[in-house]
Amino acid sequence: RKEVEQDPGPFNVPEGATVAFNCTYSNSASQSFFWYRQDCRKEPKLLMSVYSSGNEDGRFTAQLNRASQYISLLIRDSKLSDSATYLCVVNRDDKIIFGKGTRLHILP
Amino acid sequence: DAGVIQSPRHEVTEMGQEVTLRCKPISGHDYLFWYRQTMMRGLELLIYFNNNVPIDDSGMPEDRFSAKMPNASFSTLKIQPSEPRDSAVYFCASSPVAGGLSYNEQFFGPGTRLTVL
Repeated sequence: RKEVEQDPGPFNVPEGATVAFNCTYSNSASQSFFWYRQDCRKEPKLLMSVYSSGNEDGRFTAQLNRASQYISLLIRDSKLSDSATYLCVVNRDDKIIFGKGTRLHILP
Repeated sequence: DAGVIQSPRHEVTEMGQEVTLRCKPISGHDYLFWYRQTMMRGLELLIYFNNNVPIDDSGMPEDRFSAKMPNASFSTLKIQPSEPRDSAVYFCASSPVAGGLSYNEQFFGPGTRLTVL
C-alpha cells in the first residue's frame, strides 16, 4: 500500500457546485498535513494547512480524520479558476510525502 | 521579493550527456529541496538540505544523480550520464526553519523541464 493515496480523477464538476476529495495515509505517526494546488505546467503552491480540528479558508474547508487516516478538501461554490490538480502532503519525522494529486475540472 | 529561481527552464539533451540544473532559494530559507515530477510517479522528493548540509538523499534514484549546495544561495542537481528515463520536470523548493520542517510551507521554483533523447 502506498503511503499517501489520492483518487487521480478527473473530477468534472459544474461551476457553482460543491466538490470534495480525500487523501488517505498509511502511517499513523504522520504529524502534519497540507493541501497544495498545482496548475497545468506550473509549480505546486500551498493552498492550506490541515489542522486537527478542521479549518476553513473562504470556500475551502480542510479536515483531518486521524482514526481513519485521511484528510479531506471541500470546495464550495466552485469557480472555473479552481480547475487544477490538488496534491495532499503528509509529513512525519521530517519525511515529506506528496500524493500524486487529484485533477479537478470545473465546467462552465 | 524574488521567489525560488531555477535555471534552465527547459533542457533538451542526448542520452549520455551531463545535465546540471541550478537553483537559488529564497533568501533566509534554511531548507532546500529537489523534487522530480512525472505523470507515472508524481512528485518525488530526491534530496533535501538544511543549512547547506544534505540531510536525506534516500530519494536519489542512483549514483548518476548528485546534488550540492556550496552556499546558502545556490544548489545544483547533476545527472551524469543522463538517460531517457530521466526526462521529467525537476523542481527546487525552499522553506524557512521556524517551527521545524514538518510544519512549514515549501515555496517551489518554476521547475526545469528536462528531455533526454
